[in-house]
Amino acid sequence: EAGVTQSPRYAVLQEGQAVSFWCDPISGHDTLYWYQQPRDQGPQLLVYFRDEAVIDNSQLPSDRFSAVRPKGTNSTLKIQSAKQGDTATYLCASSFRGREQYFGPGTRLTVL
Amino acid sequence: QQKVQQSPESLTVSEGAMASLNCTFSDGTSNNFRWYRQHSAKGLEVLVSIFSDGEKEEGRFTAHLNRANLHVSLHIREPQPSDSAVYLCAVRNNYAQGLTFGLGTRVSVFP
Repeated sequence: EAGVTQSPRYAVLQEGQAVSFWCDPISGHDTLYWYQQPRDQGPQLLVYFRDEAVIDNSQLPSDRFSAVRPKGTNSTLKIQSAKQGDTATYLCASSFRGREQYFGPGTRLTVL
Repeated sequence: QQKVQQSPESLTVSEGAMASLNCTFSDGTSNNFRWYRQHSAKGLEVLVSIFSDGEKEEGRFTAHLNRANLHVSLHIREPQPSDSAVYLCAVRNNYAQGLTFGLGTRVSVFP
């Protein structure tokens, strides 16, 4: 069974540029999570979906970050105007009915 | 809001010696705890999940949970150099599905 896949694996951009991250969860998993992990810190939940609905986006910096999961399968996380403070690894995870979360390899973002 | 703290920040052990990691949490009603391992530039690998007080063993990894003391620990039996990684404690709140993580303990195992 394929695990959670993410792309790209790495991204480097200048402040003010936009970037999108893509996540393909494990087939059949209804719940999808996005976490932000700054260097030398633990992951912090940004947003999570059940099917196509946003369940909790309270930690998502809404003015620059957005996340969608239009068909309840793949998901995209977008940063409109990146800042140096956004430098982190962005992790996607999926689960079935809130059970064990399985994590992808992450996208490492560097904002110069 | 749930707070999760881990100690020590880093740990160096010899191959074959027991490694012990600690995690404290603030919400005593939590009942869903996990230990993850994260190798450099890779995703998280779940090691042990524990949901009730006591002990849970998965291979060389054993978790101990004491909710009265707001404490969960991880013991690594006979650690190997390939166990060198960051170990993360995660707690799931009863009212939300997202996990709250600690900052991690960096474990280095030397032959």
